[in-house]
This record gives sequence, structure tokens and C-alpha cells, in this order.
Amino acid sequence: DGGITQSPKYLFRKEGQNVTLSCEQNLNHDAMYWYRQDPGQGLRLIYYSQIVNDFQKGDIAEGYSVSREKKESFPLTVTSAQKNPTAFYLCASSIGLAGQSEQFFGPGTRLTVL
Amino acid sequence: SQQGEEDPQALSIQEGENATMNCSYKTSINNLQWYRQNSGRGLVHLILIRSNEREKHSGRLRVTLDTSKKSSSLLITASRAADTASYFCATRIYGGSQGNLIFGKGTKLSVKP
Repeated sequence: DGGITQSPKYLFRKEGQNVTLSCEQNLNHDAMYWYRQDPGQGLRLIYYSQIVNDFQKGDIAEGYSVSREKKESFPLTVTSAQKNPTAFYLCASSIGLAGQSEQFFGPGTRLTVL
Repeated sequence: SQQGEEDPQALSIQEGENATMNCSYKTSINNLQWYRQNSGRGLVHLILIRSNEREKHSGRLRVTLDTSKKSSSLLITASRAADTASYFCATRIYGGSQGNLIFGKGTKLSVKP
């Protein structure tokens, strides 16, 4: 099956810890994205990457970091600098750039800070 | 600030009725997309409509775009219980960042059997 996978589905973090969320796609898409969704809200862009070894900050990049060493993978690290990390995190990919084509989303990771 | 705003925030209808959701935006766009999200899941793309298009259809979905009013509507005809979900519009601003789709807060649709 082609698609995007995210793991884990649920993640619990203690304050002061860094955690890494996994995102893998086998759609051969160049562009990948990380979004954050808070209850009753739309999606806000954290980071995006158009090609391997390149990525750009989105609207709310502070306290997050990413890497894009492989086309298929775009992991997101939530650092201790992120003051309010409890949220639903969604990874997406697209053939072309955002807005030029549809985005395919993973099932999401729900992060809770204890 | 929010580029796209959906209206209403919540909508409850009976199965078989039509559901109409609206999206208003503030600045010129290249195109507008509609997505659906079932509770606790990822988003699913429904339709992309370009700024030079006025209407598009996909199955029971009909999307219109009025660039003069900076608004779009999504119509779901003959709704089913399975259509219960949140619906989001997303815009790519003309001349904006290549990576940035801006999402509204969504309309929560409930279809009662």
C-alpha cells in the first residue's frame, strides 16, 4: 500500500524532554510537511521540505527541529524549548509544492506532556 | 491572522439533506482546496479549485469559487452519516511562500441517520 505512516500514534513526554515523531512516505513525493493542530483549530505549518537536505521554517517553527536525509523520511523533534507541545501533529506530502497539488496526510501523532 | 474562515463552525443535518459550508479569505489566492478530517485522523483531500475556475464537481461534492467576493462554498448533496467530519478550506496565497497552505478552523458537520 502506498501512503504516509506516522509513529507513534500516541506519545507522552515529560517536561524538559526532547521527543522525535516519525514520518515516512512511499509515494515518491518530493515535498513533505509538518503541521500542528490544536483542539477546534485548523492546521498550522511547522516546517516543510521540498527536497532532500533542504527544509524551511513555517509559521510556528520555534521549539521544533527537522531533518530530511532521505526522500522518504521527515522526522520532527519537539524540543524542550517548545513551551506548549501538547497537540495533534500531522505529517503530509505532495508531488509538487503546497497549493499546486493535493497533500496526502498521515494518521497523526497525539503528543501529551505530563 | 486567519486567511480562511469557514462558516458555519458547526452544522447538524439529517441524512439525505444537503450540506453547504462556506469559506471566506482575505487576500488573492492561486487556488483553494477543501479537505475532510474524521475525528482524530489525518486530513483527506476533496477538491482543488484554481483561481480561474468558478465551479468543480466530484461525485456528490460541488465547490464554487467567487474571487470577487473572496469566498468559496462546498456543497455535499444527499448527505450520509459517513459524511460526518470536519471540513477545512486551505488557500495558497498569491505570491506567498511556496510551502505554505493556510488552513481555516473548519466546519464540523454532523449527519444524523
